[in-house]
Amino acid sequence: DIQMTQSPSSMSASLGDTVTITCLASQDIGNYLSWYQQKPGKSPKLMIYGATNLEDGVPSRFSGSRSGSDYSLTINSLGYDDEGIYHCHQYYEYPFTFGSGTKLEIK
Amino acid sequence: QVQLQQSGAELVKPGSSVKISCKASGYTFTSYDMHWIKQQPGNGLEWIGWIYPGNGNTKYNQKFNGKATLTADKSSSTAYMQLSSLTSEDSAVYFCASLRGIGFAYWGQGTLVTVSS
Repeated sequence: DIQMTQSPSSMSASLGDTVTITCLASQDIGNYLSWYQQKPGKSPKLMIYGATNLEDGVPSRFSGSRSGSDYSLTINSLGYDDEGIYHCHQYYEYPFTFGSGTKLEIK
Repeated sequence: QVQLQQSGAELVKPGSSVKISCKASGYTFTSYDMHWIKQQPGNGLEWIGWIYPGNGNTKYNQKFNGKATLTADKSSSTAYMQLSSLTSEDSAVYFCASLRGIGFAYWGQGTLVTVSS
């Protein structure tokens, strides 16, 4: 199975900050990587697909990038609504796998 | 608009089975795989498998072979997941989700399954 090593597991940042969350894939997944935001008690919401593509309706403050096997989600100009858990997900190969999640708190 | 409406929370006894549902609307049910995903409290997401309602084909995460059984009813546009021989490790929120080649674009609201005597 492809392991997705996500870091950090939690982080706290201030309004207006820029934060980056990273997932390292244990083997090649091409650009078959998506990012989700999950609020407490809600289902995950697709934010980024194909490693770098912004889903419709997602603010342009969110961006995705790739460097080799490292995939990153960057959020600029943090707002209170960005608080939640962020998950990466590879859909290159079965079984699909997810990172362990990053809990983002806004101070 | 696409909607996936899941059945309500279940409280079940160890050793029993439970069947949860996911009713789809807003798209052609038989044209897209329906996936199921598990989330234990405080834990990440775990992919269980998918069913293609068009022909009933399924694919499972090997970890859930024998635990989960996926079915679909084309007449009601509803997908089902049955979980058997339940233990405390099966206590979790279960989501159905539709994959659109770009990731899971649509999700149900989740069904909480609690296994307790």
